[in-house]
Amino acid sequence: GAGVSQTPSNKVTEKGKYVELRCDPISGHTALYWYRQSLGQGPEFLIYFQGTGAADDSGLPNDRFFAVRPEGSVSTLKIQRTERGDSAVYLCASSRTGIGANVLTFGAGSRLTVL
Amino acid sequence: AQRVTQPEKLLSVFKGAPVELKCNYSYSGSPELFWYVQYSRQRLQLLLRHISRESIKGFTADLNKGETSFHLKKPFAQEEDSAMYYCALRDNNNDMRFGAGTRLTVKP
Repeated sequence: GAGVSQTPSNKVTEKGKYVELRCDPISGHTALYWYRQSLGQGPEFLIYFQGTGAADDSGLPNDRFFAVRPEGSVSTLKIQRTERGDSAVYLCASSRTGIGANVLTFGAGSRLTVL
Repeated sequence: AQRVTQPEKLLSVFKGAPVELKCNYSYSGSPELFWYVQYSRQRLQLLLRHISRESIKGFTADLNKGETSFHLKKPFAQEEDSAMYYCALRDNNNDMRFGAGTRLTVKP
């Protein structure tokens, strides 16, 4: 696609529920990043994929958070047993390798609200 | 681990005044530094990167390895520069980490 697409744009759920957030990167971008942004804060790194594999998942806060990218394009961030503290905007970004690499193109974000 | 610090959460200047947004980093390797900007109701987007050594929208930033800084500067601020600015560092493993951001307001 023309840009990074994230769905849903807004998600309201109840404490304890399971949530999936989807990211569709720019076609051909091999690197994909997930960030979490709370109000008044900068993007907090969660996980980075290079192709299908997670190159760095050190930012995932605990084992309730998991992300996959099975075919090296679309990625899904999964959050189990949601807590009110998980409420934030979840940002996805992608980049290509080679010339122009490391310049991230961001999606519009998925705003998660846990009641 | 790398760390990016933006000491000012808020910065307000008048139109036509010079502006400097501060960014300091800590990283033991050879970093690549970026400035990203988020205008109201828009997505986070790249403003400039240090390896390009370019001026974008009148903004420049110089990597100072001695002071571990990458401050963003513009000699004459414009109202349309009002936005959130984030400094970011890419490490040798391609991880990209962001600072907490500075909200710049340019008053008429």
